[in-house]
Amino acid sequence: QSALTQPPSASGSLGQSITISCTGTSSDVGGYNYVSWYQQHPGKAPKLMIYEVNKRPSGVPDRFSGSKSGNTASLTVSGLQAEDEADYYCSSYAGSNKYWVFGGGTKLTVL
Amino acid sequence: EVQLVESGGGLVQPGGSLRLSCAASGFTFNVYNMNWVRQAPGKGLEWLSYISSGSVTIYYADSVKGRFTVSRDNAKNSLYLQMDSLRAEDTAVYYCARGYRSGDLWGQGTLVTVSS
Repeated sequence: QSALTQPPSASGSLGQSITISCTGTSSDVGGYNYVSWYQQHPGKAPKLMIYEVNKRPSGVPDRFSGSKSGNTASLTVSGLQAEDEADYYCSSYAGSNKYWVFGGGTKLTVL
Repeated sequence: EVQLVESGGGLVQPGGSLRLSCAASGFTFNVYNMNWVRQAPGKGLEWLSYISSGSVTIYYADSVKGRFTVSRDNAKNSLYLQMDSLRAEDTAVYYCARGYRSGDLWGQGTLVTVSS
C-alpha cells in the first residue's frame, strides 16, 4: 500500500485538460512544499515533470502544472497530446524517517 | 552527456547478496546527493536509500534497513548499493536518482531477480 493516494487511472481526449490528484497527510504532502511529479513511459525510467509543488524543470512543457491544497497535491496536463500517455507518480518529502514517499501511480490514457 | 548508468543486477537466490553500481557522468557528481529507488514488476516506485554528497548523512527505508548498505566513491563518480539477505520481495528494477527533495536525473535501471 502506497503512502500517497492517487487514482489508478485517468483519461482525456486530445487537446483537453486532465487533473490527477495525490492525497497524503500532514506528515508529507501537507507538511512540506516538496511535492514532485514523475512521468514514466513503459519500460523507461521516471522523468521529473514538477518539483517543489509547482516548478517545472527545464525542457518540460508549460502544459504541465502542479498545485497543492492542504494534504492534496494535483498535476494538471493541459492540451493533452498523444505522447502524454504514460504513468504518473506523485512523491513528497516526508522527513528524515521516510524521506521520499510515492503514490501508487496513475495511468493516463489519451483518447 | 549527463547520465546515470546502473549495473550489477541479475538473478540471485533467496538469502544471497548483490552489489549494484551507478556510474555518473557529465556532471559534478561530488556535489549531488543521491538515492536508490526500486520498482517491483507492475508496481509503483519505492524509495530505498539516500546518501548526501559527502556521505555524512544516510537514510534507509524500513523495508531494507539492516540488509542494504549505500555508499559512494566520489573519486570514481560512482554510487553503490550492497544488498544482503535478499528476499523474493526484493525482486525489482533498481534505479539510482540524483537529488535532494526530488530526483531530477534517473538511470535506466537494473533488474534484480531473487528466486531459487
